[in-house]
Amino acid sequence: KAGVTQTPRYLIKTRGQQVTLSCSPISGHRSVSWYQQTPGQGLQFLFEYFSETQRNKGNFPGRFSGRQFSNSRSEMNVSTLELGDSALYLCASSLAVGRRGTEAFFGQGTRLTVV
Amino acid sequence: AQSVAQPEDQVNVAEGNPLTVKCTYSVSGNPYLFWYVQYPNRGLQFLLKYITGDNLVKGSYGFEAEFNKSQTSFHLKKPSALVSDSALYFCAALNTGGFKTIFGAGTRLFVKA
Repeated sequence: KAGVTQTPRYLIKTRGQQVTLSCSPISGHRSVSWYQQTPGQGLQFLFEYFSETQRNKGNFPGRFSGRQFSNSRSEMNVSTLELGDSALYLCASSLAVGRRGTEAFFGQGTRLTVV
Repeated sequence: AQSVAQPEDQVNVAEGNPLTVKCTYSVSGNPYLFWYVQYPNRGLQFLLKYITGDNLVKGSYGFEAEFNKSQTSFHLKKPSALVSDSALYFCAALNTGGFKTIFGAGTRLFVKA
């Protein structure tokens, strides 16, 4: 079956702009999590959605937001981009986070570069 | 604060030798524990997990991990390393009933031919 699909794979944006990233989870998976990966900070949790509800949020400013649609697809938005937002953004889906330790399946990520 | 520690930024091992990548955790209750691997320009791939039961967990590509509750550790092991095992390895923990998986900083494994 198809894996987690993230679009676009690469993005270049200018400071101050906003960006929307998309994630399509594995069919049947209702939980979608987002992570920011940078060389200096490692893998940082952004937020997790289940059945269109945000259940948990990491320590990121309000410029980072997300949503999940009824078909479990998720989008992440970053407004007023800063140079420090340059990173690999990873989306992960699972049947249900916390349910008997179900593992996450990751997409290939979106590489965002802010110039 | 809950955390996962991977004390080594990098591990170097010769092909054919055993490898160990270390992980310790500080998470409340009896967490679920995971290992993931990341190859260049790719997302993370699931290797194995510990939920309950036998302390030695076997996973993909010949990897296994040993859970030690008293030491709160979950070290990744492989009896004989391959050059193709060279990648970035992440340990992760999820407290039971929680919705946020906590990842370690990652350990880069280099296997030399």
